[in-house]
Amino acid sequence: QSALTQPPSASGSPGQSVTISCTGTSSDVGGYDYVSWYQQHPGKAPKLILYEVSKRPSGVPDRFSGSKSDNTASLTVSGLQAEDEADYYCSSYAGTNNPLFGGGTKLTVL
Amino acid sequence: EVQLLESGGGLVQPGGSLRLSCAASGFIFREYALSWVRQAPGTGLEWVSTISGNFGSTYYAESVKGRFTISRDNSKDTMYLQMNSLRAGDTAIYYCAKSQQGIVARDFDSWGRGTLVTVSS
Repeated sequence: QSALTQPPSASGSPGQSVTISCTGTSSDVGGYDYVSWYQQHPGKAPKLILYEVSKRPSGVPDRFSGSKSDNTASLTVSGLQAEDEADYYCSSYAGTNNPLFGGGTKLTVL
Repeated sequence: EVQLLESGGGLVQPGGSLRLSCAASGFIFREYALSWVRQAPGTGLEWVSTISGNFGSTYYAESVKGRFTISRDNSKDTMYLQMNSLRAGDTAIYYCAKSQQGIVARDFDSWGRGTLVTVSS
């Protein structure tokens, strides 16, 4: 199975909103409501920020939101802050315990 | 607080072997699926392997199937990854990751800091 498709980069100014897409197929993103998103700052481990498409773990600001339509999931970061500058990865369950990751999107806060 | 601490990484020649460990604390170890996820330098995340809680069912990415073996010792709260026939393409930071589920890995809610594996002559 191929990796999920994400744009390599995204950007926005402080206070603005930015949306990052994650495109898969009907066998992964479109077939299950098990899309998760991870934030990774340079030199750090990834951190779960959304799971099951739109659920936020405790401690994650509600500026982070998620949605899904057909085979594409989206992460929206509202009210951009400097600390949101990081790499973002989506992941989807794909059956037979074969989670797939996207290639990652580098978010720049201008 | 969940803590995952990887160890065992290092420099190994092509064709060599290495065993990684992941020591866990802060949760009921046997109840959760655990995975290895790797990240080659400057690239994205790649799922490597998962072992379920309790029954210990194992799953592997095609790229490592037949070469890597995942296991866990629920009495020691530790997971392992035995890596054989290592290739240059296996060079990466290897992260230990915990899932919120017990049987399959639908997401990864806690991660270790990672251990670097370098395969080079």
